[in-house]
Amino acid sequence: AQKVTQAQTEISVVEKEDVTLDCVYETRDTTYYLFWYKQPPSGELVFLIRRNSFDEQNEISGRYSWNFQKSTSSFNFTITASQVVDSAVYFCALSEAGRDDKIIFGKGTRLHILP
Amino acid sequence: EAQVTQNPRYLITVTGKKLTVTCSQNMNHEYMSWYRQDPGLGLRQIYYSMNVEVTDKGDVPEGYKVSRKEKRNFPLILESPSPNQTSLYFCASSLGLAGSIYEQYFGPGTRLTVT
Repeated sequence: AQKVTQAQTEISVVEKEDVTLDCVYETRDTTYYLFWYKQPPSGELVFLIRRNSFDEQNEISGRYSWNFQKSTSSFNFTITASQVVDSAVYFCALSEAGRDDKIIFGKGTRLHILP
Repeated sequence: EAQVTQNPRYLITVTGKKLTVTCSQNMNHEYMSWYRQDPGLGLRQIYYSMNVEVTDKGDVPEGYKVSRKEKRNFPLILESPSPNQTSLYFCASSLGLAGSIYEQYFGPGTRLTVT
């Protein structure tokens, strides 16, 4: 069955520290997609990244980077030199190719960046 | 501007009083869905639609109805709201299936309180 686990419910770090948000997923499909979304205090969902299961290259976008490891079924998200504006709830999500119904979300990690 | 709109953004109502939350997208997307977000539970899918007149249940459909008479609109109907339906609701749309390369676009959310 599909499942996404974000074991860290809440994290607090001081500004400029690096922080990694963990995401572990379960799926029986060989073709699937992984996502990260950001939900700032204003409440909207902001798409950050999509990765398909055949592309294990790590991705870097500015201060954000993602580490996809199929061997451990993980898709971790690292923020380098964190800023107060990074404070938000972050969701990891999974969808399976051929499943036409939904994206499965993790329960989210609330990140506090302290000034 | 490509977007998903929801109305109202905030609603406080009483138990049993029928209400409708509208969702509209201007991207000619075929796929639309509704999610609810509750603390500690992440986002859970309520209903989805793959095209006009085609709808199906998600994980938590009880107490909700939907309709898809036009491609752009996907209203969520609560015939007899109850306090356990107090939640943050998101509408989403995408060009294709959830389990595909297509990104889901989320609306801004509707915060519903049922007293």
